Amino acid sequence: AAGVIQSPRHLIKEKRETATLKCYPIPRHDTVYWYQQGPGQDPQFLISFYEKMQSDKGSIPDRFSAQQFSDYHSELNMSSLELGDSALYFCASSLIKSGQETQYFGPGTRLLVL
Amino acid sequence: GNSVTQMEGPVTLSEEAFLTINCTYTATGYPSLFWYVQYPGEGLQLLLKATKADDKGSNKGFEATYRKETTSFHLEKGSVQVSDSAVYFCALSDNAGNMLTFGGGTRLMVKP
Repeated sequence: AAGVIQSPRHLIKEKRETATLKCYPIPRHDTVYWYQQGPGQDPQFLISFYEKMQSDKGSIPDRFSAQQFSDYHSELNMSSLELGDSALYFCASSLIKSGQETQYFGPGTRLLVL
Repeated sequence: GNSVTQMEGPVTLSEEAFLTINCTYTATGYPSLFWYVQYPGEGLQLLLKATKADDKGSNKGFEATYRKETTSFHLEKGSVQVSDSAVYFCALSDNAGNMLTFGGGTRLMVKP
């Protein structure tokens, strides 16, 4: 079965640079979520989209923005990167229209800021 | 707000030992409860879930029962294998489409 796809899998950036992470949800899923997992930490919710509209916002810094496109893929844009942004970024998707709330996670993008 | 508390790890067991990882939660209403597993260098995989009180989720020999009276969702397995070594996260969602709130994760190490 198709899973959530994230790209790139690994990314190295310098401080103050920008990064764009991409997420392709499971086909026909209507909701996308972004989470950040710092080293040795539990995942923290950043932001979510339902049917291309922002549906919930968590601890996402103002330097980050995200959107969901007409084909349902989502991008997380990160600007003015800081060392503390080094983390594993997960995307998850779900199909809440059918009442299923299980979130299925992608493999993550590991971002290292030098 | 919602919160999830798990027992701290690491938990080190010998192969075929019995496993319990405690998880308790605080939430308004009736959340859905999940266990996710993260193998080294990999993403989060759904292990099992329960959506209402007294439901039992089970998968791959793991079980957890949604106990509303004790606000708990403890993970158990009767006989662990080396391949079960991973980090286990308990999580809740208070409504479809809402964010997951995770516990701090428990690292399980199973020795041959």
